[in-house]
Amino acid sequence: AQSVAQPEDQVNVAEGNPLTVKCTYSVSGNPYLFWYVQYPNRGLQFLLKYITGDNLVKGSYGFEAEFNKSQTSFHLKKPSALVSDSALYFCAVRDSGFNKFYFGSGTKLNVKP
Amino acid sequence: EPEVTQTPSHQVTQMGQEVILRCVPISNHLYFYWYRQILGQKVEFLVSFYNNEISEKSEIFDDQFSVERPDGSNFTLKIRSTKLEDSAMYFCASSLLTSGSTDTQYFGPGTRLTVL
Repeated sequence: AQSVAQPEDQVNVAEGNPLTVKCTYSVSGNPYLFWYVQYPNRGLQFLLKYITGDNLVKGSYGFEAEFNKSQTSFHLKKPSALVSDSALYFCAVRDSGFNKFYFGSGTKLNVKP
Repeated sequence: EPEVTQTPSHQVTQMGQEVILRCVPISNHLYFYWYRQILGQKVEFLVSFYNNEISEKSEIFDDQFSVERPDGSNFTLKIRSTKLEDSAMYFCASSLLTSGSTDTQYFGPGTRLTVL
């Protein structure tokens, strides 16, 4: 069965420090992995995706994510956090044979000045 | 930048009533989706729609639910005889390319449905 786990409900980071938001996945086929961000009263905004190729994927707003097949992980990273990065982050996976997304439970990122 | 839009932003209804949630997908997109997020829980897939028919649906999407593309721009989710447990945020999404592709789904801001 396809699933995504985000083990941290909340991540707290000081502005300027690097941040990591963790995600692990389980799929039966090749994984298509996505990160979305949700700001208050807004929809899910696409950040980046991994389909194939380089394990390090770069996305919007300076975010990047590293695909690790052996650890079945797709952690979201940013070298220097901004207060404006504070939001809810969702990891999602799609099995290559199917259309629907499976979402993680979300991680709330708090970046403090 | 084109966006998926949804109306209303918040809908309050009495148990047993019918509700219609509306979405306007990105104009050149071909695939449309509904997801829901019960408060404090994961975002869950409900249904995908292509070429005027359902292409995939989850076990949540039972006979109580239906989807329709009544015209060239709107995509609706109808919930007949709402139950308390239907209270959730409902997200519409759209994508350009075909099912099973690597295409990104773009989400609307959601409609918060409250069933009293």
